[in-house]
Amino acid sequence: GAVVSQHPSRVICKSGTSVKIECRSLDFQATTMFWYRQFPKKSLMLMATSNEGSKATYEQGVEKDKFLINHASLTLSTLTVTSAHPEDSSFYICSATSTSGSTNEQFFGPGTRLTVL
Amino acid sequence: QKEVEQDPGPLSVPEGAIVSLNCTYSNSAFQYFMWYRQYSRKGPELLMYTYSSGNKEDGRFTAQVDKSSKYISLFIRDSQPSDSATYLCAMSESYQKVTFGTGTKLQVIP
Repeated sequence: GAVVSQHPSRVICKSGTSVKIECRSLDFQATTMFWYRQFPKKSLMLMATSNEGSKATYEQGVEKDKFLINHASLTLSTLTVTSAHPEDSSFYICSATSTSGSTNEQFFGPGTRLTVL
Repeated sequence: QKEVEQDPGPLSVPEGAIVSLNCTYSNSAFQYFMWYRQYSRKGPELLMYTYSSGNKEDGRFTAQVDKSSKYISLFIRDSQPSDSATYLCAMSESYQKVTFGTGTKLQVIP
C-alpha cells in the first residue's frame, strides 16, 4: 500500500521559533498533498491543499504567512509554522493522493505532534 | 449546522458484539464516502471507501450509504479488542477536499 511519512513525529519548541514539518510519499508520486490539524477529541481540520509546483490553497481562517507550505516535488511537501506560539500546539497530519488511479483516496502520514512552550 | 455530524461516543461494547457507527451529512453533492480508523496519536488509515449509495463489505466491516437520507454507517461484526480506536467518517464531492466527522471513539472490552 501507499506509504506517507512525516518528520519529525514529535517536536517541542520555544515560543517565537519556527518549525518545519516534512511530509513524504515513499512509494508513489503525489499529485496533491493536504495538511490537516487535529485538536483533542476534534475532527481533522483541513488547513491547506498543495499541488506540486504551485502555490498552496489555504482554507478560510488559516494564515498563509504563519503556515508556509512548499510542495517542491511530487514526493515532498513541507509545512513551516513560523513564529510559533502555544496556541499552535496541535497534531499536524499530512495526506497525499496518487497521480495514478481513479479514486480520491488520501493516504495519511502518522502525524507530527507540536508542542510550543 | 455542521456539514458532517458524528456522535463522538465513547462507545463501549463487549468483545464479539456487532458495532454500528453512523454519520449524517447535509451536503447533497457528496459522492465519495470513507471510513477511517485512527489509533491514539497516529494518522488515520482508510478502512472502507464507497462511491455513491449502496453497501460494501470487506471482511468483518460493512459500509452502507443512503444518499436519500444523507446517512452513512459502518458495521463491525465480531468486534475485537484490537478494533478499539476512533472511527472517522469522511466524505467529498470530488477528487480533492474531504470533510471529516469528529470521530467516534470505540472501546471493545475483552
